[in-house]
Amino acid sequence: DIQMTQAPSFVSASVGDRVTITCRASQHISSWLVWYQQKPGKVPKLLIYDTSNLQSGVPSRFSGSGSGTYFTLTISSLQPEDFATYYCQQANSFPLIFGGGTKVEI
Amino acid sequence: QITLKESGPTLVKPTQTLTLTCSFSGFSLTTPGVGVGWIRQPPGKALEWLALIYSNDDEHYSPSLKSRLTITKDTSKNQVVLTMANVDPVDTATYYCAHEPASRGIFFDYWGQGTLVTVSS
Repeated sequence: DIQMTQAPSFVSASVGDRVTITCRASQHISSWLVWYQQKPGKVPKLLIYDTSNLQSGVPSRFSGSGSGTYFTLTISSLQPEDFATYYCQQANSFPLIFGGGTKVEI
Repeated sequence: QITLKESGPTLVKPTQTLTLTCSFSGFSLTTPGVGVGWIRQPPGKALEWLALIYSNDDEHYSPSLKSRLTITKDTSKNQVVLTMANVDPVDTATYYCAHEPASRGIFFDYWGQGTLVTVSS
């Protein structure tokens, strides 16, 4: 099975900061990588699919890049509503695997 | 507008079978390529994918749970049912169902609100 490793597990940041989260796959997954955002007590929300495509309604301060085994999620200027936990998920093949999550804290 | 909603017991005893129902609207599970999946999240922990069923009846399961899981669909009722046999306290989690769009990548664009299931005697 493909393993997904996110780093860091926690990010302490301030409003306006640029934040980058990484996700590594144990096998090549081409560009089939998605990112979700989950706020405390809320449902996960799809942010980015196919590495870099923003889901409808997602602010442009979010961006994704990478290919193969290394991927990043960048928030260009952190906003108060962005404090949440972010999960990557390999979307290449079954079984579907989520990363362990990155909590972005104030 | 796609919506999904999970229903089922909130408390299950160890060794029992858990049955969860996902009722959805805004799409059809007869549309080629579309699927509905189940994902769970233990309190304070990460997301874990469990199972997915497609409109063509293809089923996929998490290898670690495959022996205990069954996913079925009822297209006439717009429902997907997940059963988990022989539950254990470690199965305590919020269980989500989600829509898998007919895309090349396998992911979930719409999620239900989730239902918390506690396994305890």
